[in-house]
Amino acid sequence: NFMLTQPHSVSESPGKTVTISCTGSSGSIASNCVQWYQQRPGSAPTTVIYDDNQRPSGVPDRFSGSIDSSSNSASLTISGLKTEDEADYYCQSYDGGAWVFGGGTKLTVL
Amino acid sequence: EVQLVQSGAEVKKPGESLKISCKGSEHPFTNYWIGWVRQMPGRGLEWMGIIFPGDSDTRYSPSFQGQVTISADKSISTTYLQWSSLMASDTAIYYCARVGLPLWKYYFDYWGQGTLVTVSS
Repeated sequence: NFMLTQPHSVSESPGKTVTISCTGSSGSIASNCVQWYQQRPGSAPTTVIYDDNQRPSGVPDRFSGSIDSSSNSASLTISGLKTEDEADYYCQSYDGGAWVFGGGTKLTVL
Repeated sequence: EVQLVQSGAEVKKPGESLKISCKGSEHPFTNYWIGWVRQMPGRGLEWMGIIFPGDSDTRYSPSFQGQVTISADKSISTTYLQWSSLMASDTAIYYCARVGLPLWKYYFDYWGQGTLVTVSS
């Protein structure tokens, strides 16, 4: 079964830039779109990136997504970190009829 | 503004049945697929399945096939997630979410607020 692997946690200081990776277990991660969802504590998820690198309206351009076919991975980069960015982040893609989520990465902004 | 409003928290006993709902505000509701996602306590997101309310075409995750039933009533813009016999392991928050267009991008663009289901004797 296709899996997406994310680091369990990352931390960075306010104002800095952080990148969260999402690595596909097989095949080509570039074959299907990758999405990123933000889930603040006690809240429902929201979509911050879809279709690899598209931002929904209202999501600041501090958030960006990319695909690296050479490492079969996707990345979410958040620049100019704010304390409000502290949340869990999940990548998601699709494979063989199934929607697949990564295990999630806890971002701490300290 | 697109809104998905889910039914309230539930506390049930093992073996009981349950049906939770998700009502959409966007019209036409029937133009979009709606998905359900489980989040067990302290855990990540799991895709359960999606339904197209226009004709009730439903796709299930193999992990949830036969364990739950996803249905819809397009006349009231509502989709449902149903159990016939709950287990303690069904304790989780369940989210509905709208599938963005086009479908082949396979992403959720709007999410409901979640429904907490607690199953305990």
